Amino acid sequence: EAGVTQFPSHSVIEKGQTVTLRCDPISGHDNLYWYRRVMGKEIKFLLHFVKESKQDESGMPNNRFLAERTGGTYSTLKVQPAELEDSGVYFCASSQESIVEKLFFGSGTQLSVL
Amino acid sequence: GQQVMQIPQYQHVQEGEDFTTYCNSSTTLSNIQWYKQRPGGHPVFLIQLVKSGEVKKQKRLTFQFGEAKKNSSLHITATQTTDVGTYFCAGGKGNTGKLIFGQGTTLQVKP
Repeated sequence: EAGVTQFPSHSVIEKGQTVTLRCDPISGHDNLYWYRRVMGKEIKFLLHFVKESKQDESGMPNNRFLAERTGGTYSTLKVQPAELEDSGVYFCASSQESIVEKLFFGSGTQLSVL
Repeated sequence: GQQVMQIPQYQHVQEGEDFTTYCNSSTTLSNIQWYKQRPGGHPVFLIQLVKSGEVKKQKRLTFQFGEAKKNSSLHITATQTTDVGTYFCAGGKGNTGKLIFGQGTTLQVKP
């Protein structure tokens, strides 16, 4: 069974540019989460999809971040325009429906904004 | 806001020594999960604790959830080089995967 896959693994962009991160959850997992770890600090929740619906987006930093999950399969997270403080590792995680017992994390996208 | 504090941030031990990392939440949690991230890797689920005072063991790893469901610990007996990595606790407030992570404890094991 394929795990959670994320693309790209690394992205280096300049301040003001746009970047789109992609996450393919484990097949059949309705729940999809985005998390971010900035500069070795704690991993912080960004948002939660149940199928194609945003269940909770309370962790999104500001309106420069836009997440979508059209069709309830893969998800994208777009940052436009990127700022220096957006640098970090963006993790995607998925879980099966019903009571959550564990999250399956992807390998993350290392984003560097210069 | 809700916080989960984890200490220590780093720990260097000699192979064979024991290791413990502690988590403390500012609010009562419904559950706590532990994840391990190997260098260059991604967080991998280890265990979930739900009940007050719960203790679970996985081989050399012992996990505890406090009576007040506000703190937790992970203890590794007789560390091995394969235990190297960053250990994160993550507190849940409900039945979703929205977790509040601690800062992580990075364990180095000297052979």
